[in-house]
Amino acid sequence: LAKTTQPISMDSYEGQEVNITCSHNNIATNDYITWYQQFPSQGPRFIIQGYKTKVTNEVASLFIPADRKSSTLSLPRVSLSDTAVYYCLVGDTRGTGRRALTFGSGTRLQVQP
Amino acid sequence: EAGVTQFPSHSVIEKGQTVTLRCDPISGHDNLYWYRRVMGKEIKFLLHFVKESKQDESGMPNNRFLAERTGGTYSTLKVQPAELEDSGVYFCASSQEGWGTEAFFGQGTRLTVV
Repeated sequence: LAKTTQPISMDSYEGQEVNITCSHNNIATNDYITWYQQFPSQGPRFIIQGYKTKVTNEVASLFIPADRKSSTLSLPRVSLSDTAVYYCLVGDTRGTGRRALTFGSGTRLQVQP
Repeated sequence: EAGVTQFPSHSVIEKGQTVTLRCDPISGHDNLYWYRRVMGKEIKFLLHFVKESKQDESGMPNNRFLAERTGGTYSTLKVQPAELEDSGVYFCASSQEGWGTEAFFGQGTRLTVV
């Protein structure tokens, strides 16, 4: 499984755009990149998934360069409620094996007023 | 639609006792996963069921842990006998076809062994 590296923590202010970058140098051809969000005392919650280029949904955007060795989760105009831990997970979630994903240490985002 | 439900939400037991955690996945989800986070550590994979079969149990820490999913519906995770290092939060997740786009997580069970 591809190992991921993220910043341990980030700070931002309400209304700003936040970009969290994840490194996954040994990503495999069949691997997808998935981001989860976790609030205290809750289970992780899916944010977005992508394979290459750019993916956007109502919550976030995911930018993946051509070499796929990194990815950036972009949260537009964060609010206090976006304070959480964000996990980048990499794995073959669509293949025949469809293995479970592995969580890393995550990035703790603190949004200030 | 009901999400993934875990029981109990909290459990405090003494070292050496037995505890059984339960997970009710989203109806129709064949895949069920158990994870746990012990204090200060990362969320670690324990095992993966496809229906009632164990697809991958490589993350189970030792033979004090027993997971079952009879009938391919709800799952139980039994710890017997519990040790202090088993304290942590146990998460269950389910998905329809493999992990696919996303797996849905429950709120977790906080287990404290004293």
